[in-house]
Amino acid sequence: AQKITQTQPGMFVQEKEAVTLDCTYDTSDPSYGLFWYKQPSSGEMIFLIYQGSYDQQNATEGRYSLNFQKARKSANLVISASQLGDSAMYFCAMREGAGTYKYIFGTGTRLKVLA
Amino acid sequence: GAVVSQHPSRVICKSGTSVKIECRSLDFQATTMFWYRQFPKQSLMLMATSNEGSKATYEQGVEKDKFLINHASLTLSTLTVTSAHPEDSSFYICSAGTGIQPQHFGDGTRLSIL
Repeated sequence: AQKITQTQPGMFVQEKEAVTLDCTYDTSDPSYGLFWYKQPSSGEMIFLIYQGSYDQQNATEGRYSLNFQKARKSANLVISASQLGDSAMYFCAMREGAGTYKYIFGTGTRLKVLA
Repeated sequence: GAVVSQHPSRVICKSGTSVKIECRSLDFQATTMFWYRQFPKQSLMLMATSNEGSKATYEQGVEKDKFLINHASLTLSTLTVTSAHPEDSSFYICSAGTGIQPQHFGDGTRLSIL
């Protein structure tokens, strides 16, 4: 069973608008971490934001925020005030359990910001 | 922020050649390093987990003898693709982490085998 699901293969957003990238996950472990990474066309993976399963508040990092809905097992990334440089592939990832540091990645969402 | 350096960024070589890729954590000691493979327009596939001073743990379906991983120090892990063939052509990317902190990735290596 797929553990991380990103249902949007591609998204468009107008510059300066907000966009939400969806991510749902599946785990029975009470301790887990959720991550979002950005991959530009050059290939590097840029860490954006992290949410721990026990965190009470939604994570925020500048223009990035994570809409964490634990009961629904979703961890959507919200990018506010989109910029042209936000055009990239975005991956959601999960780390399960306290004893492993392995990540499981979703299939990614390609975001294109329009001028 | 944490910096991971991966070298080389691009390799083109003939079939049968062995290729070594280095992954260094520049400003922190990485207890664990990971090696991923990424095909065009696909997600990252974990190949192996590398812990300093011990043997790497390979994911199911990854050939240990084809992809040799060495993690000799807390700042360096290497991936050697032995006797590479065209089907080994791919984008290889490493990451390094300490405990539960977010993994930080190298810039990746594009390997092309002719």
